[in-house]
Amino acid sequence: DVKVTQSSRYLVKRTGEKVFLECVQDMDHENMFWYRQDPGLGLRLIYFSYDVKMKEKGDIPEGYSVSREKKERFSLILESASTNQTSMYLCASSLPGHQFFGPGTRLTVL
Amino acid sequence: AQSVTQPDIHITVSEGASLELRCNYSYGATPYLFWYVQSPGQGLQLLLKYFSGDTLVQGIKGFEAEFKRSQSSFNLRKPSVHWSDAAEYFCAVGAEGSGGGADGLTFGKGTHLIIQP
Repeated sequence: DVKVTQSSRYLVKRTGEKVFLECVQDMDHENMFWYRQDPGLGLRLIYFSYDVKMKEKGDIPEGYSVSREKKERFSLILESASTNQTSMYLCASSLPGHQFFGPGTRLTVL
Repeated sequence: AQSVTQPDIHITVSEGASLELRCNYSYGATPYLFWYVQSPGQGLQLLLKYFSGDTLVQGIKGFEAEFKRSQSSFNLRKPSVHWSDAAEYFCAVGAEGSGGGADGLTFGKGTHLIIQP
């Protein structure tokens, strides 16, 4: 089975902190994604990556950056966390036509 | 730009009754369409997908969906729901040229399904 793991299920940070969310997949997928999920808004794409060191902006990239130094790992970075970034963050990796999601990280920014 | 509309925020169904969740999409070319389910505290699980061919698609857990190009719809159905079907359901569309979502999916806002005993 494909496994997508995220480093934390719950995270609490303070405004202005630099935050790293880590995602690892074990199936050698080239494509990886970061979404945020908010009640009443569904999932929105933040960034995605086609390959190592490649990244593309999604629909809501403002306030975020990403890093992909190894194929299996895709990190989401909040350079200076703000309260409006309190959300559920979901990582996914994909084969053509099928995205596999991690369990999510619920981030609270105080 | 592509978009997905799920008109029903909440739906309540009695256990054993039939279910239909609505999904309408906006996309200029042939869409790749997906239904995902998210149980409380869980990640998203793929129920079924449509790329081409037969417009009635069978998925896991007894779900099916029908693609209707003329109505831009991809409604999810189940003939008899179980209490374990209570969850959040998301419809999503991916671009054809991306191999079915290789550059990300566009999701609807979700439908929360409540099962009454």
